[in-house]
Amino acid sequence: EIVLTQSPATLSLSPGERATLSCRASQSITGYVAWYQQKAGQAPRLLIHNASNRATGIPARFSGSGSGADFTLTISSLEPEDSAVYYCQQRSNWLSITFGQGTRLEIK
Amino acid sequence: QVQLVQSGAEVKKPGASVKVSCKASGYTFSDYYLHWVRQAPGQGLVWLGWINPNSGGTNYAQKFQGRVTMTRDTSISTAYMELSRLRSDDTALYYCARAMYSGSYSVDYWGQGTLVTVSS
Repeated sequence: EIVLTQSPATLSLSPGERATLSCRASQSITGYVAWYQQKAGQAPRLLIHNASNRATGIPARFSGSGSGADFTLTISSLEPEDSAVYYCQQRSNWLSITFGQGTRLEIK
Repeated sequence: QVQLVQSGAEVKKPGASVKVSCKASGYTFSDYYLHWVRQAPGQGLVWLGWINPNSGGTNYAQKFQGRVTMTRDTSISTAYMELSRLRSDDTALYYCARAMYSGSYSVDYWGQGTLVTVSS
């Protein structure tokens, strides 16, 4: 099973700053990586799929990139409502899907 | 609009089974895989598996093989997830979630979650 390791575990930034969240796989994977945002008491929300494609209705300040085993979610200019836990997800093959352990983003 | 409505909270004893339902509306049920994901209190997301509502085909995470069964009833656009031989560490919020496109791994609509508590 492919393990996804997200870093940092917690990130504390101010509004307007840039956030860079990392997701590293235990082996090289295809570009089937998604990112989700989960706010307290809510179900997760899809942000990015296939590494770099924004889901419907997601603001342009969210972007995804990466290849091989290293993937990144970037939030270009933080808003207060971006405070949440962010998870990456991968599909190495259609039979195995895993999530990272999450990065908690705090907006000061 | 797409909606996934799950059954209510359950309290089970260790060793028992639980069956959670997920009723879909607002789209053609057979056209999109449904995934099941759980989240223990204060913890991260764990994928349990998916079901193809069209064929009934399933794929389960290795960790849950032998304990999880996913089924569907297309006549009422409802999917089910049954977990057997429950343990205390199965206590979690269980979500169903619709694949973004036909057989996608990424999911774009989620149910409200069903809290399953396992306690003696």
